[in-house]
Amino acid sequence: AQTVTQSQPEMSVQEAETVTLSCTYDTSESDYYLFWYKQPPSRQMILVIRQEAYKQQNATENRFSVNFQKAAKSFSLKISDSQLGDAAMYFCAYRSVRSGTYKYIFGTGTRLKVLA
Amino acid sequence: DAMVIQNPRYQVTQFGKPVTLSCSQTLNHNVMYWYQQKSSQAPKLLFHYYDKDFNNEADTPDNFQSRRPNTSFCFLDIRSPGLGDAAMYLCATSRGGQGHEQYFGPGTRLTVT
Repeated sequence: AQTVTQSQPEMSVQEAETVTLSCTYDTSESDYYLFWYKQPPSRQMILVIRQEAYKQQNATENRFSVNFQKAAKSFSLKISDSQLGDAAMYFCAYRSVRSGTYKYIFGTGTRLKVLA
Repeated sequence: DAMVIQNPRYQVTQFGKPVTLSCSQTLNHNVMYWYQQKSSQAPKLLFHYYDKDFNNEADTPDNFQSRRPNTSFCFLDIRSPGLGDAAMYLCATSRGGQGHEQYFGPGTRLTVT
C-alpha cells in the first residue's frame, strides 16, 4: 500500500522569504500523480500544484514549484516570496493511475506560519 | 461558478441522535468522497462513490452510512453520533479520470453534545 509522509509538522517563514515543505512517499507503482493542497484556517482545501510521475520536468505555478525526485520518492514544495496569505496547512497527496482507483493518500500535513 | 456545496456549515447534535450532512456539486463529477478531519490532522477517507458504485473504507465505522441519489447530491448519515465523531466533515469530488484533482467543499463542523 502507498504511504505519504510529511516530516515537518510546522514550519515558519518570514514574509518575502522562501520556504520548502518536504514530502516523501512510498509506492511500488511507476506511474502516479502527486499533489500539494492548501487548507487555510477555516477555509476550504484547494489545489496548489500537481505533478505527473512520468514527467521529469518539475511543475511550477507562479510562486509555487516542486522538486520531484522520483528515484528518491521525494516531492517537496517550494514557496517563493512568501505572503501572509500563504499561511495554511499544506497536505501532500498521492493518487495511483491504476484503473478503477480513485482514492487519494494524504500526508499528515505541515502547518506553515508566515511572519510579518 | 461550479462548486461543491455543503450544508449545513455547522451542525450540533446530541449524543446518539441521528444526523445527516449533505453535499451537492455543480461540477458533474463522477466521483464523490466523504472525509472526516479532526483538528490539524489529515483528512480521513470514509467512503467514496464512482457514479452509483459505493466504496467503503475498511475502518469506517458501521455508524456512518452514505447515499448518493443522483450525480449532484451525496449524503452522510451518522446513525448514533458519539463524542468521538465530533469533527469537520469534508465532501470532495473529482472527474475520476487519471490525474484529476479533487475539489473540496467548505466542510461541515459537527459538534456532539
